Amino acid sequence: DVQLVESGGDLVQPGGSLRLSCAASGFILSAYEMHWVRQAPGKGLEWIGHINLGGDIVHYAHSVEGRFSISRDNAKNSLFLQLNSLRAEDTGLYYCAREIASTYYVPFDIWGPGTVVVVSS
Amino acid sequence: YVLTQPPTVTVAPGKTATITCGGDDLESNSVQWYQQKAGQAPVLVISNDKDRPSGIPERISASNSGNTATLSISGVEAGDEADYYCQVWDSGSDHVVFGGGTKLTVL
Repeated sequence: DVQLVESGGDLVQPGGSLRLSCAASGFILSAYEMHWVRQAPGKGLEWIGHINLGGDIVHYAHSVEGRFSISRDNAKNSLFLQLNSLRAEDTGLYYCAREIASTYYVPFDIWGPGTVVVVSS
Repeated sequence: YVLTQPPTVTVAPGKTATITCGGDDLESNSVQWYQQKAGQAPVLVISNDKDRPSGIPERISASNSGNTATLSISGVEAGDEADYYCQVWDSGSDHVVFGGGTKLTVL
C-alpha cells in the first residue's frame, strides 16, 4: 500500500525547535519530489516547501524561509522538516505530500494523515 | 500569485455545484483541485485543469479559461460535503499556491 506517515509533532514553546519526519512506504521515495503543507486550525492549506529528488534543491514559502529546513534520506525512504524559531502562528497540522512524477504542474497524489504542532507557552 | 475562491457554496442534493478559482491569467497555469472532508487529508480530484485521477467519479469535472478555473460536481450527494481547494505551481516564484478553499454545503 502506498502511503506516507508523518511523526514528531508536539507541544513546543515559542522560540523552540522541532523535527518532523515523514516515512514513505509502498514506493521508492527517491523517484519523487516531495512537499510539506500545513493547515492552521480551522484554516486553509498553506504550502511550506519542496525538495527535489536528490535533496540539493529546496524551495520555501516566505513565511518559513530562514526558520524551516527540508531534507530527505532516500536510503531510509524518509523526508524531514526541521522547524526552528517557532511562533504561535506555526501551530497547525503538518502534512507531507508526494508530487506526481514527471509533471510540470505539481499535483500531489499522496498525502499523509498529518502530525500536529502546537506552539504555546 | 493569489488564487481567490468563494468561502462557501451551497447546493441542493441532485443539483450541480460550481466552485470557482480566480487568478491573474490563470489559464496559463495548470490547476489542480483537492477535496478535503472533515478530519481527513486532502484528496486530489482534478489535475492539469481537467484530468480525473483513477477512482474519481465522472460527475466531477473542471475547466480553466481566462482568469477563472471552475470545478463542477453534478448530481451532488451528501457525501460531497467538503472543503475544496484549487492549486497551481507558480513558475515565476517556484512556489506552490493554494486558493483559500471553498466549503461546499449540501442542503
